[in-house]
Amino acid sequence: ETGVTQSPTHLIKTRGQQVTLRCSSQSGHNTVSWYQQALGQGPQFIFQYYREEENGRGNFPPRFSGLQFPNYSSELNVNALELDDSALYLCASSLGRTDEKLFFGSGTQLSVL
Amino acid sequence: SQKIEQNSEALNIQEGKTATLTCNYTNYSPAYLQWYRQDPGRGPVFLLLIRENEKEKRKERLKVTFDTTLKQSLFHITASQPADSATYLCARGKDTGRRALTFGSGTRLQVQP
Repeated sequence: ETGVTQSPTHLIKTRGQQVTLRCSSQSGHNTVSWYQQALGQGPQFIFQYYREEENGRGNFPPRFSGLQFPNYSSELNVNALELDDSALYLCASSLGRTDEKLFFGSGTQLSVL
Repeated sequence: SQKIEQNSEALNIQEGKTATLTCNYTNYSPAYLQWYRQDPGRGPVFLLLIRENEKEKRKERLKVTFDTTLKQSLFHITASQPADSATYLCARGKDTGRRALTFGSGTRLQVQP
């Protein structure tokens, strides 16, 4: 167990809807990164938050947005859901922007119908 | 762009044998490579990190190498056990200006009793 918790564990939405995924980072970690993992693929970086500010973004459209709160927990929001957004969404926490080891949660499995 | 390539075919070995997984990268050498283990429906779990200037690193039954000439890392599990069956992900370190790890698609290891 890494101490990173994500909710919900599973979610089913329809195309065009909006979704919010939540993540509580490991105690003492101030950096949260979000990754998308399609079936049979490796995780792909969405963005990172460090001390409540976005600190880097991958190749994802603006309809993917996020927040980090003062307690370092985080949310990932996806608007106008598309079928291709169906994936496992992983949250990872680390200590500081340059920390090299990521602690992942178990993820949220999102299905878009 | 920087890529990580892992053998997408599953590796099947007998219990007690040594499993060897390969990770190849493109372009310039990353500052470090990381290996993670991922079980179905779970998030990746950090195993080992090896830096560009290190040739080999060990942790219990695990060994990882980094060959900058071949642009390759090898991950070994000695005396493999059925409990080692999982998908193993290789990731290159945060390249200059990037905040994220770049993951390969993983290799599935199946250890037969």
